[in-house]
Amino acid sequence: NAGVTQTPKFQVLKTGQSMTLQCAQDMNHNSMYWYRQDPGMGLRLIYYSASEGTTDKGEVPNGYNVSRLNKREFSLRLESAAPSQTSVYFCASSTEMNTEAFFGQGTRLTVV
Amino acid sequence: GESVGLHLPTLSVQEGDNSIINCAYSNSASDYFIWYKQESGKGPQFIIDIRSNMDKRQGQRVTVLLNKTVKHLSLQIAATQPGDSAVYFCAEKYNAGNMLTFGGGTRLMVKP
Repeated sequence: NAGVTQTPKFQVLKTGQSMTLQCAQDMNHNSMYWYRQDPGMGLRLIYYSASEGTTDKGEVPNGYNVSRLNKREFSLRLESAAPSQTSVYFCASSTEMNTEAFFGQGTRLTVV
Repeated sequence: GESVGLHLPTLSVQEGDNSIINCAYSNSASDYFIWYKQESGKGPQFIIDIRSNMDKRQGQRVTVLLNKTVKHLSLQIAATQPGDSAVYFCAEKYNAGNMLTFGGGTRLMVKP
């Protein structure tokens, strides 16, 4: 009963470095999402994948790319990290778009 | 623009009392609302949802009320317990869109 698993849990990057955040779900969900959460703020949608093979921009997509590798996995890539991308990143999944979503534990990313 | 917001950033209640967390939304076309609970260091956890064709929905110790006339959403927690201490987020989905928009969160603190 793993649910939504994110890796890594913590990461420190230097400005300009690249990295990929991994997310996998074992609930056979169709839809997956990447959010960022900044101090004192709610969650903002970066990208989402309504179903396997599709991805779409959310509210704050600039500086990010995503890949829906298969039904289980949805990765988020930062090609050239910037300090403004310091945040906590959450992956989530749901049966269909915007029904009850299950969240991972988060990745705390610091860009220095 | 459309927004989801919360009236009180911090709510402190005595253990055993009832808690009421409020949320205002501005888009009258929103048709689906969710409340999430987020404990420190964890991802958001679904509590309860409600669709716009309802004005009340009850779960275990929680009740969500929707007043479409004044575009107001509330979460009531009965007999609040220390384990209820967390940040609570409301989120709305617009009728024509695919994205959930989250509010900024209210911190609930339960005093023993």
